[in-house]
Amino acid sequence: DIQMTQSPSSLSASVGDRVTITCRASQSVSSFLNWYQQKPGKVPKLLIYGASSLQSGVPSRFSGSGSGTDFSLTISSLQPEDFATYYCQQSHSTPQTFGQGTKVEIK
Amino acid sequence: EVQLLESGGGLVQPGGSLRLSCAASGFTFSSYAMSWVRQAPGKGLEWVSAISGSGLTTYYVDSVKGRFTISRDKSKNTLYLQMNSLRAEDTAVYYCATELGGWSRVFDSWGQGTLVTVSS
Repeated sequence: DIQMTQSPSSLSASVGDRVTITCRASQSVSSFLNWYQQKPGKVPKLLIYGASSLQSGVPSRFSGSGSGTDFSLTISSLQPEDFATYYCQQSHSTPQTFGQGTKVEIK
Repeated sequence: EVQLLESGGGLVQPGGSLRLSCAASGFTFSSYAMSWVRQAPGKGLEWVSAISGSGLTTYYVDSVKGRFTISRDKSKNTLYLQMNSLRAEDTAVYYCATELGGWSRVFDSWGQGTLVTVSS
């Protein structure tokens, strides 16, 4: 199975900050890497698929990059509604595996 | 608009069984692979099982193989997860999800989830 490791596990940031979360795969997943946002008590929401494609309706302040084993999710200017937990997930092979999550908190 | 509504969760004793359902609407049900993804209390997301749009191909995470069975009923636009020999570690919210573009392992629409608690 492909292991996905996110860093950091949590971070504190202020509104307006640029935030970057990284995700590393234990073996190459090419560009089959996706990002989800989950707010407390809510359902996960797809943000980015294929490493860098923005899902319909997702604000352009979210962007993804990377290929192979190293990926990142960047929020260019953090907004109050962005405080949540973010998960990466590889869709290269079954079992499709998630990272452990990165909790973005208010500083 | 895609709508997914899970049901069937509840409290069950270790070793017991439960069948989850996911009623789907707003899309051509047989054109999309679907998955079950679970989340233990306070923990991260774990993919559990997937089924092709035709229902002919299924996949499972190792920890549920031989215990869980995924299926779908085209006539009812409903996805199922039969869970047998339940263990405490199966306690989680179970979400059903559609796969982007039909068969991609990318989860683009999610139900609200149903809580399964395995405890004596």
